[in-house]
Amino acid sequence: EAGVVQSPRYKIIEKKQPVAFWCNPISGHNTLYWYRQNLGQGPELLIRYENEEAVDDSQLPKDRFSAERLKGVDSTLKIQPAELGDSAVYLCASSSRLGSTDTQYFGPGTRLTVL
Amino acid sequence: GQQLNQSPQSMFIQEGEDVSMNCTSSSIFNTWLWYKQDPGEGPVLLIALYKAGELTSNGRLTAQFGITRKDSFLNISASIPSDVGIYFCAGQKQAGTALIFGKGTTLSVSS
Repeated sequence: EAGVVQSPRYKIIEKKQPVAFWCNPISGHNTLYWYRQNLGQGPELLIRYENEEAVDDSQLPKDRFSAERLKGVDSTLKIQPAELGDSAVYLCASSSRLGSTDTQYFGPGTRLTVL
Repeated sequence: GQQLNQSPQSMFIQEGEDVSMNCTSSSIFNTWLWYKQDPGEGPVLLIALYKAGELTSNGRLTAQFGITRKDSFLNISASIPSDVGIYFCAGQKQAGTALIFGKGTTLSVSS
């Protein structure tokens, strides 16, 4: 079974430029998460989707970040314009609830460097 | 954002030694998980714990869900060089919600 796929793996841009990240979750997983991981820290949630609906976007900086999950499968996270402080690893995870439990599986991440 | 208190921050051990790390929180969690992250990769799930007091093993790894539901520990027995990496604890308040992570424990193993 294929894992969570993310692209690109690395991205270097200049500040004020736009950037987009793509995620393909594990087949059949209806919950998709975007996390941001700063250097030396654990991941922190940006947004969570149940199918195509964003059910938790309270930590998403909405002035410059946007996300979508059309058709409830693939998802795209966009930053426009990027700032120096956006340099981080952006991780996508997916899960499928089984009763009262669910296990989140992570993709390899996109490492963003903003110059 | 909220993060769990994970300790130690780093460990330097000899191959064959046992390792213990732990995670505490001021909040109650219904699920505790332990992940390992290698450089340039995403976190990989090692052990998931779903019941207070639960003790679960995965090969040389053993983890426990604290009875207060506010803490968890991970033990690695007889460490080997491929155990090198960053270990993260994560708590989840209910299924399908965000994971709250610790800051990680960086493990170095010398042979």
